[in-house]
Amino acid sequence: ELKVEQNPLFLSMQEGKNYTIYCNYSTTSDRLYWYRQDPGKSLESLFVLLSNGAVKQEGRLMASLDTKARLSTLHITAAVHDLSATYFCAVETNRDDKIIFGKGTRLHILP
Amino acid sequence: NAGVTQTPKFRVLKTGQSMTLLCAQDMNHEYMYWYRQDPGMGLRLIHYSVGEGTTAKGEVPDGYNVSRLKKQNFLLGLESAAPSQTSVYFCASGGRGLGYEQYFGPGTRLTVT
Repeated sequence: ELKVEQNPLFLSMQEGKNYTIYCNYSTTSDRLYWYRQDPGKSLESLFVLLSNGAVKQEGRLMASLDTKARLSTLHITAAVHDLSATYFCAVETNRDDKIIFGKGTRLHILP
Repeated sequence: NAGVTQTPKFRVLKTGQSMTLLCAQDMNHEYMYWYRQDPGMGLRLIHYSVGEGTTAKGEVPDGYNVSRLKKQNFLLGLESAAPSQTSVYFCASGGRGLGYEQYFGPGTRLTVT
């Protein structure tokens, strides 16, 4: 059974700082997703990573995937208050197409 | 192009009542999913479908049934609602072409008293 673990689950950081959210998963997968959710809202797709070594960047966010280590990271560069949200990673199983989510990282950026 | 829509947006049920949540997508996606979101639990997969006429169990399927009679619609049924099914329900759809992206609906907030 696929397990997806994110850490940290809660992160409070100052504007201008850098930080990384980690997503570990337990079985073979070649597809990993990152989402953002604002309070009371639905989920917004940020990145889809489809192969080992994939790296994608959008603004101050950069995501990478290491399928051998079963690890994805979401790196935040020079954080700004607008990035405050909950970030989820989700992993798609190779065997049966399920997409399983981590518990999410609640990011609070202090002005 | 409405994307993914969910009906209803809010609902209050009494224990033992039944209801159906409707998810509709207009992007011709093959894959559709139902999740529930509870505080501190992330999103948990209830059921999913990889094409018209197919359904499969996710992580937490007990107490729910689904049907995918038409490609654009994915229905989630609660036959006998329980307070433990109080949650926010999200539907999502996705393709397997260029993007692999999953698109989420706005959610349905269900309270079972």
